[in-house]
Amino acid sequence: GENVEQHPSTLSVQEGDSAVIKCTYSDSASNYFPWYKQELGKRPQLIIDIRSNVGEKKDQRIAVTLNKTAKHFSLHITETQPEDSAVYFCAANLLHGGYQKVTFGTGTKLQVIP
Amino acid sequence: SAVISQKPSRDICQRGTSLTIQCQVDSQVTMMFWYRQQPGQSLTLIATANQGSEATYESGFVIDKFPISRPNLTFSTLTVSNMSPEDSSIYLCSVGAGSSYNEQFFGPGTRLTVL
Repeated sequence: GENVEQHPSTLSVQEGDSAVIKCTYSDSASNYFPWYKQELGKRPQLIIDIRSNVGEKKDQRIAVTLNKTAKHFSLHITETQPEDSAVYFCAANLLHGGYQKVTFGTGTKLQVIP
Repeated sequence: SAVISQKPSRDICQRGTSLTIQCQVDSQVTMMFWYRQQPGQSLTLIATANQGSEATYESGFVIDKFPISRPNLTFSTLTVSNMSPEDSSIYLCSVGAGSSYNEQFFGPGTRLTVL
């Protein structure tokens, strides 16, 4: 089955700096890679995603890159703000027997220091 | 995006009992999912629940322990049966959206504590 590794597990940055979170996946058939933000005590929320036919996608201060050959994808947050502090999860989505199977990474706790 | 609610939001249960968690969506959705998230951990998919078919369970999860119902396109239930303290966790439902139902939107979760 799919295995998704995520690094780092914790990340502290100064406000205004950039943050980068990296994930690798094992199954080359995975074709959709979402990122979720989960604030303490709240539900995960989809913040950005990328499909396997795209190399990069940007939405304001957030960008995601995908390298299919190397099977890794990254989340980039620029000009970080205290409200970016949360746990971020990457995921790899695989269509399997007509059903989707989403495998989540282990999460990165991001702390933005004012 | 769909508005998703779950009941109960939290519960404290005795070992050996069962709890049924409800997930209600304000629009019809094809794919619904149930996840478990243990404290400080990632999300683990329990099963996929599509209306009109049996739920598909992931490795390590069985129907006898986690029976699921999906009676219509806006509702699903997950039962945690014969509970033990190891079942203490947050249980979340989600719905698949987008052209391939890839995008998932989560309910608020049910925090379960088993004594």
